[in-house]
Amino acid sequence: NAGVTQTPKFQVLKTGQSMTLQCAQDMNHEYMSWYRQDPGMGLRLIHYSVGAGITDQGEVPNGYNVSRSTTEDFPLRLLSAAPSQTSVYFCASSVGGRPDTQYFGPGTRLTVL
Amino acid sequence: AQRVTQPEKLLSVFKGAPVELKCNYSYSGSPELFWYVQYSRQRLQLLLRHISRESIKGFTADLNKGETSFHLKKPFAQEEDSAMYYCALRGGTSYGKLTFGQGTILTVHP
Repeated sequence: NAGVTQTPKFQVLKTGQSMTLQCAQDMNHEYMSWYRQDPGMGLRLIHYSVGAGITDQGEVPNGYNVSRSTTEDFPLRLLSAAPSQTSVYFCASSVGGRPDTQYFGPGTRLTVL
Repeated sequence: AQRVTQPEKLLSVFKGAPVELKCNYSYSGSPELFWYVQYSRQRLQLLLRHISRESIKGFTADLNKGETSFHLKKPFAQEEDSAMYYCALRGGTSYGKLTFGQGTILTVHP
């Protein structure tokens, strides 16, 4: 049981490049979410999904796209990276959005030059 | 709108001293409050929630609706308590959408 996995662990991009951050969970959780962690800002919700085929925006969705074709996977896409997207990204999954069942991934540290 | 404020970015105490990490919130309804912890090189994890009224690793937190606060307390800090702590709020209709505070880095010196 791997829990929540994220790849890559580290990534450096140039402004304007695109990439996808991968997130997978093997706990059959229907609820998955993406957060970004910035110093002095805490964690902010980017997008979330309540099940396969259903996604919605969080607090800071601009510049990011998501899709949820399977229960297990919830990739986060940056279409045209900007320096303001330099951050640590965390994926999380839970049962029905319940925080007491929530597991976080190890994070992806992204730097945009 | 819901908001969580942790006024201290950094908090340093000595081993055995009491520690209190402050958390204030703004929410018009009945919120659920949580404390999360992130130890060095480990994943973010739930420490405790106000509903359960439990003590985890010696930490307790009481929801004070009058002062809109949910401070985290421990009477005798240990070095292994050194970590980043986040206070978080879930509104009644937000279906799992958590609002986090800015985080407090606690350092417990020997």
